[in-house]
Amino acid sequence: AQSVTQLDSQVPVFEEAPVELRCNYSSSVSVYLFWYVQYPNQGLQLLLKYLSGSTLVKGINGFEAEFNKSQTSFHLRKPSVHISDTAEYFCAVDTGGFKTIFGAGTRLFVKA
Amino acid sequence: NAGVMQNPRHLVRRRGQEARLRCSPMKGHSHVYWYRQLPEEGLKFMVYLQKENIIDESGMPKERFSAEFPKEGPSILRIQQVVRGDSAAYFCASSPGAGGQNEQYFGPGTRLTVT
Repeated sequence: AQSVTQLDSQVPVFEEAPVELRCNYSSSVSVYLFWYVQYPNQGLQLLLKYLSGSTLVKGINGFEAEFNKSQTSFHLRKPSVHISDTAEYFCAVDTGGFKTIFGAGTRLFVKA
Repeated sequence: NAGVMQNPRHLVRRRGQEARLRCSPMKGHSHVYWYRQLPEEGLKFMVYLQKENIIDESGMPKERFSAEFPKEGPSILRIQQVVRGDSAAYFCASSPGAGGQNEQYFGPGTRLTVT
């Protein structure tokens, strides 16, 4: 069975500082990996996805993530965060079936 | 192209009543997914439907919950005889095709409160 672990439930960071949100997954088969962002009282919006090919994936709003198969990780990074990046971020895994497994989420709080 | 629409956005029900949550997928999307989000938790898969068919309902509680996606009209998630533990945000997503490589587009959610 697949699972997703987001290692930090909350990440406080100052504006313009870099940030990394960590995600590890477990799966016995090849996976597709996703990061979603959820702003308060809204649905989820796709930030980026890894399907195949280059292990460094660039997404919207300046975010990027790196797929590391040996470490089964898919950490999300941004070199300089803004106040508007304050939101909850979800890592998700899909094996190509019908079910996407989500992590518990990491709340990013950007301070001025 | 309108996004995924869900209504109502907020729903309050007393214990024992029925809750009906509606989801209109994006135009051209025939695949619909329902998820539940409890406070401080991630999304939990409930059910995956294509037009008129339930494909995977392995995440649905065996009792009181049902889902449909008729040929015409929105997808409906129905919760009968609601209990306080059903209080959560319910999200619908749609995609143009099956399989994980197809991006899911999420609606704004319905927040159900059971009093």
